Formats: sequence, C-alpha cells, structure tokens
Amino acid sequence: AQTVTQSQPEMSVQEAETVTLSCTYDTSENNYYLFWYKQPPSRQMILVIRQEAYKQQNATENRFSVNFQKAAKSFSLKISDSQLGDTAMYFCAFMKGREETSGSRLTFGEGTQLTVNP
Amino acid sequence: DGGITQSPKYLFRKEGQNVTLSCEQNLNHDAMYWYRQDPGQGLRLIYYSQIVNDFQKGDIAEGYSVSREKKESFPLTVTSAQKNPTAFYLCASSTTGLSNQPQHFGDGTRLSIL
Repeated sequence: AQTVTQSQPEMSVQEAETVTLSCTYDTSENNYYLFWYKQPPSRQMILVIRQEAYKQQNATENRFSVNFQKAAKSFSLKISDSQLGDTAMYFCAFMKGREETSGSRLTFGEGTQLTVNP
Repeated sequence: DGGITQSPKYLFRKEGQNVTLSCEQNLNHDAMYWYRQDPGQGLRLIYYSQIVNDFQKGDIAEGYSVSREKKESFPLTVTSAQKNPTAFYLCASSTTGLSNQPQHFGDGTRLSIL
C-alpha cells in the first residue's frame, strides 16, 4: 500500500514571496504519478501540477514548480511570487501507473493549509 | 460545459436514516470515485467504479453503499450503519487506460447529523 505524508499542517508566506510545501511518499511501485491539488475555501479541488515518475525533469506550471527526488521519495511544491488567491489547502497525491483497464485511484496526504498574507 | 455535479450541497441526516448523495458527470469518463474528507485527514477513498455495473470498496467502505447503473451517475448512500457520517463528501471521475489524466472533482456535499 502507498502512503503520502505532508509534515507541515500550516504555513504562511508574504505576498510576492516564495514558499515550498513538502511531501514524502512510500511505495514499492516503479511506475506512478504524483499530483498537487489545491482546495480553496470554496472546497473545490483544483489540479495544480503533476509529475510522471519516469520523467527526471521537474514539472513546471507558471508560478508553480516541483522538486521531484525519486530516490528520496520526495515531491515538494514551490510557489513563486505568492498571490492572495493562493491561500488554500494543498494536497499531495499519489497514483499508481495504470494497467489497460484500470482507473486512477489516488492516495492523498493530510494537507497543508497555506495562508498568503498581504 | 463538461463537469461533475454533486447534489445537494448540504444534507442533514436523522438517526437511523439512510441518505443518498448524487453525483453526475458529462465528461464521458468511465471511472468514478467517492471520497470522504474530515478536518486534518485529507481525502479517503470510500468506493470507486471503473465501468458500469461494477464497483470496488475503497479504504473506508463500511456503512456506505453505491450503484453504477449508468456511466454518468454514481450515487452514494450513507446508511444508518455509518455511525459518524458528518463529513464533506467529494465525487470525482477520470478516464481509464494508459493515460496519466488526473481526476476531476465535483464541488462536494456537506453531510451533517441532526
């Protein structure tokens, strides 16, 4: 079974600064995917960024980037130029690589509440 | 616009009562999922379905039941056997097959005990 751990229940950052959220996972799988989801106060789950384990290059989406360390089983999220709208709960999630007919069962971490201060 | 619709947004259950949460998607996704979210615990998988007329238990299936009679619909029933049903429930869907397409989520239903 896979486990995902987010060791920072809460974090805060000043607007325009950079913040890094940590995530570690445990798996015996070699083919898998990792995701960061954002959940603002509206409670909607929004995909922020995803990483394929077979890719060594770290994923980047505008102000969001990851530091994927496969050997260390670490998957941190860096948010640059933080904005007030980034205030949300952030969840790290793991998904096994799919077989032909399987879906995408996700295992989530406990979440990190990020507050961006003006 | 394609998406996932969960209803109702808020739901109240009396002692000994079964309640059903609705989830409908028009994304033509084969797989659908139900998660429960409690404060400080992230999301936990209740049930999932990869194809019509088939579903599997997730990590916390006790006290819940589902059906998948149509591709678009995956209702969740919270039975009286679920002793602590107060939580936020999220439905999701995804494609199947050799793809890394992530899950799409609905806006959730908050269930409370009267």
